[in-house]
Amino acid sequence: DAGVIQSPRHEVTEMGQEVTLRCKPISGHDYLFWYRQTMMRGLELLIYFNNNVPIDDSGMPEDRFSAKMPNASFSTLKIQPSEPRDSAVYFCASRQGSAGELFFGEGSRLTVL
Amino acid sequence: GDSVTQMEGPVTLSEEAFLTINCTYTATGYPSLFWYVQYPGEGLQLLLKATKADDKGSNKGFEATYRKETTSFHLEKGSVQVSDSAVYFCALSLSNDYKLSFGAGTTVTVRA
Repeated sequence: DAGVIQSPRHEVTEMGQEVTLRCKPISGHDYLFWYRQTMMRGLELLIYFNNNVPIDDSGMPEDRFSAKMPNASFSTLKIQPSEPRDSAVYFCASRQGSAGELFFGEGSRLTVL
Repeated sequence: GDSVTQMEGPVTLSEEAFLTINCTYTATGYPSLFWYVQYPGEGLQLLLKATKADDKGSNKGFEATYRKETTSFHLEKGSVQVSDSAVYFCALSLSNDYKLSFGAGTTVTVRA
């Protein structure tokens, strides 16, 4: 298996622009997680899905952030409008079952100017 | 809330030195405990785990023992290599909560 695939790997955009990050989980995994990593706050869980249904979005910082999972093989994290403080590395991770190993993608590094 | 606290870095060591990274946890239930490693430019990878008290997780020469009495899960390696340079994260999850809560991460640099 190719692992969790994220795109883009790097994104540089200007404040106010819309940003869409994409994730393809490992086939057969029924849990998908979006994390954000910054130097100041470490790793923060933003939202997670089970069988394509959002279960807990309490970590989503603001209404500017939204996430979808239209099917078992694809998820998006959207920021609209983006702000400089959104600059971070965003990780997608997937897992099979409630207690399985969590597999991370390589991350999407976002820079908002 | 449930959380982990791990030793702040950065930690710089010479090759073949002994490494310890402290991790303590706070949880209302009986968590599973994990160590993840992040190599430069990559995502996190599971290094080892323990699911109940007194369990020892081990992998790649690293070990950690789940100590309920001290609520700790310290990571150790007896002889580090340059290739062990990475950021190490302690994490926990509860059986009734499918999320993983991560510590702040400890940056380890091993010099030849």
